[in-house]
Amino acid sequence: GESVGLHLPTLSVQEGDNSIINCAYSNSASDYFIWYKQESGKGPQFIIDIRSNMDKRQGQRVTVLLNKTVKHLSLQIAATQPGDSAVYFCAENKNQAGTALIFGKGTTLSVSS
Amino acid sequence: EPEVTQTPSHQVTQMGQEVILRCVPISNHLYFYWYRQILGQKVEFLVSFYNNEISEKSEIFDDQFSVERPDGSNFTLKIRSTKLEDSAMYFCASSGPSGRAGEQFFGPGTRLTVL
Repeated sequence: GESVGLHLPTLSVQEGDNSIINCAYSNSASDYFIWYKQESGKGPQFIIDIRSNMDKRQGQRVTVLLNKTVKHLSLQIAATQPGDSAVYFCAENKNQAGTALIFGKGTTLSVSS
Repeated sequence: EPEVTQTPSHQVTQMGQEVILRCVPISNHLYFYWYRQILGQKVEFLVSFYNNEISEKSEIFDDQFSVERPDGSNFTLKIRSTKLEDSAMYFCASSGPSGRAGEQFFGPGTRLTVL
């Protein structure tokens, strides 16, 4: 079965809105969660990560929330811009070098002006 | 800013042929990975490599696949006898000793088309 997945395959927002992308995971043993952005024709690009001993982490315009009780991960993007349009994947890992990243299916974010 | 590079960007091959996909990881990184992404689907782990050995591999990485670090800069993925279902984007990634263990940097990918 799939360890990490996303609730919605697509999300459409207006420029300037806040976006929330959700992910559910099933492996309680995972220690580390990452959000990647993938633009068309490119490889996944690291956005932000969070360890299992945290419940919130903020970056520039992005916030990741981790709810271990319900095994839920979310990515919040503030003031979404057209350049944010991409596919967003959550991924999990045991936070050990050399171990596999397990990706979810991805959410396509479309930002209209 | 250092980045992972991959060549070629697109490889077209006939079913049954051997292909070698090439990657140059970030220079001070010690862990190397291959992933694949079938069109429209999620990214799937194939294999990780450290100290000239495979660290971990998935069920996808069967005897048709092999990896090698032939010199100090390149990391290759060989598919011995390609099948139609091998058509996908193949991403190389690397991670370093000082960064977060799970933070893997991805290359732009090689699109493999098997005819």
